[in-house]
Amino acid sequence: QSVLTQPPSVSGAPGQRVTISCTGSSSNIGAGYDVHWYQQLPGTAPKLLIYGNSNRPSGVPDRFSGSKSGTSASLAISGLQAEDEADYYCQSHDSSLSGFVFGTGTKVTVL
Amino acid sequence: EVQLVESGGGLEQPGGSLRLSCAASGFTFSNYGMSWVRQAPGKGLEWVSAITGGGGSTYYADSVKGRFTISRDNSQNTLYLQMNSLRAEDTAVYYCAKGRGASLVNWYFDLWGRGTLVTVSS
Repeated sequence: QSVLTQPPSVSGAPGQRVTISCTGSSSNIGAGYDVHWYQQLPGTAPKLLIYGNSNRPSGVPDRFSGSKSGTSASLAISGLQAEDEADYYCQSHDSSLSGFVFGTGTKVTVL
Repeated sequence: EVQLVESGGGLEQPGGSLRLSCAASGFTFSNYGMSWVRQAPGKGLEWVSAITGGGGSTYYADSVKGRFTISRDNSQNTLYLQMNSLRAEDTAVYYCAKGRGASLVNWYFDLWGRGTLVTVSS
């Protein structure tokens, strides 16, 4: 059971904007630790999407954006495309567990 | 080419042992901390263990503490995970991942291998 909670699924039509929440607590996101996001396409390894709350690695489209506030973080995908269908995970550090934690994961479906 | 390639997975009985390896190439291996992350069939990602670049510090999830040991050989650019006292719940794809970040607590994983499947079953 993860300490970072995400909605199991979100969906949207092509071109729409969707957001994925990542809710933590005072021992992880609320403690000031950075939040990072990963995209996992079906049958493949995770890929870094956002690091340090809101930074995009080279090659990641600017349709993807991240933010953090209090004990939560969010990933937004604007201009949704069919190729964005994947599972998305947030990740942070937890001081109570003395280790890294991943979110429960969210499946994005493009209608 | 910058890549990580895992090996060593397979079928093992409960209580048995396996050693996973992760061969790194295309970057200065010793400069980066590394981690193992696993994913049970149809489930989410679970962080397993981490090690600093020089190998002097190691970290474990509670679920594997005392059973798994992470290590690295910087002369061979290879990361290891020794898995003892295996349980059915250890069944998963195990990924090695390269860590980055200004401090350990803010690490993120910017390079992942394709994973190796570990199945624990009698």
